[in-house]
Amino acid sequence: DAGITQSPRYKITETGRQVTLMCHQTWSHSYMFWYRQDLGHGLRLIYYSAAADITDKGEVPDGYVVSRSKTENFPLTLESATRSQTSVYFCASSESSPHEQYFGPGTRLTVT
Amino acid sequence: AQKVTQAQTEISVVEKEDVTLDCVYETRDTTYYLFWYKQPPSGELVFLIRRNSFDEQNEISGRYSWNFQKSTSSFNFTITASQVVDSAVYFCALSWVLNQAGTALIFGKGTTLSVSS
Repeated sequence: DAGITQSPRYKITETGRQVTLMCHQTWSHSYMFWYRQDLGHGLRLIYYSAAADITDKGEVPDGYVVSRSKTENFPLTLESATRSQTSVYFCASSESSPHEQYFGPGTRLTVT
Repeated sequence: AQKVTQAQTEISVVEKEDVTLDCVYETRDTTYYLFWYKQPPSGELVFLIRRNSFDEQNEISGRYSWNFQKSTSSFNFTITASQVVDSAVYFCALSWVLNQAGTALIFGKGTTLSVSS
């Protein structure tokens, strides 16, 4: 029973590089979310998806791209990483709305 | 606009003390949901409770209790007889309707609770 997993758990990349963070859930939850956690800001929503092929922006979407071709996967891509995108990224899923969200273990991304 | 305020940035207590974490929210929605999450030092986010705006009954789960007061827009969390394992960052969150396609969460900035032995 894996639940929701994220990979990689840690990533160091250089400014300007493209990087993709993976998120996979085994519950067949319809809704999936990406948040970033920064000191002093709590968690902020980047993108979300209500179902496969349905995605939309959250609070802080600039510089990020998402896709959701399969219900269980929701990758987040930084097209050209910047230092301001250094953060901890959490993926979450929920069965329906507005049920509680269950979070993955997080990916700590450092952009140098 | 939706907003969650956790005014207490850090709280330090000694084991067995009771501690209350404050959460004040703002919303224009008539129906909304409130949540508490715990983030221990290991970093994962653990769901603790969900409360809808129609239900103002207090909730108790073991040493944890929650007090929801619509009149003051508050959803406070009390830990009774705190233990070292309660040391964590606690987040209060409010539901946020997303373009009729579900809800996400608006989080407060969190309260760091340190319990010493």
